Amino acid sequence: QKEVEQDPGPLSVPEGAIVSLNCTYSNSAFQYFMWYRQYSRKGPELLMYTYSSGNKEDGRFTAQVDKSSKYISLFIRDSQPSDSATYLCAMSPYSGGGADGLTFGKGTHLIIQP
Amino acid sequence: EADIYQTPRYLVIGTGKKITLECSQTMGHDKMYWYQQDPGMELHLIHYSYGVNSTEKGDLSSESTVSRIRTEHFPLTLESARPSHTSQYLCASSVTGAETQYFGPGTRLLVL
Repeated sequence: QKEVEQDPGPLSVPEGAIVSLNCTYSNSAFQYFMWYRQYSRKGPELLMYTYSSGNKEDGRFTAQVDKSSKYISLFIRDSQPSDSATYLCAMSPYSGGGADGLTFGKGTHLIIQP
Repeated sequence: EADIYQTPRYLVIGTGKKITLECSQTMGHDKMYWYQQDPGMELHLIHYSYGVNSTEKGDLSSESTVSRIRTEHFPLTLESARPSHTSQYLCASSVTGAETQYFGPGTRLLVL
């Protein structure tokens, strides 16, 4: 079993829809949770960061962490064609990733249809 | 906005050649990382540096080597490239006490 599971998609939704992206994980030591957005042929760009359980909102984006279920989510409201990208979840027991780096999911390919 | 740079962005090279992938950051971050990313697969850590003159291998075995002579510079070298080295290589950095890592744009390597 991989440490982090993420559905690779593709996930295709119409413009304006609410998008829900999810990851599950098995390592209960993970405390730091991140979502990165990666456009084709680019490096990952940090979108959201959350420590431990709870919600965090930034504009159209909301990140949720449920440590009891080992489940994290990213919600995108009023989705735009420019949101089309691959979304990577990442996590670590340590602030900044530590010596093991960050543990990533495979990424979900999101397509927003105009 | 993260200021981390990678060159070249794309490289096509023949088997057996020596290559160096460059990574520089202007943020003064003490920690730097190299990840390997294959299509549809997770990023995997191949090298890590705590600071100047400190390097460690990551969880993914790699035939590459790294050096950290200056804080801002973390080059990755392949002494003899092989087709199995074809991949995207991503450099990242973070500062001790900060919560996450910032990534460069990546180098796409194709070894023929």
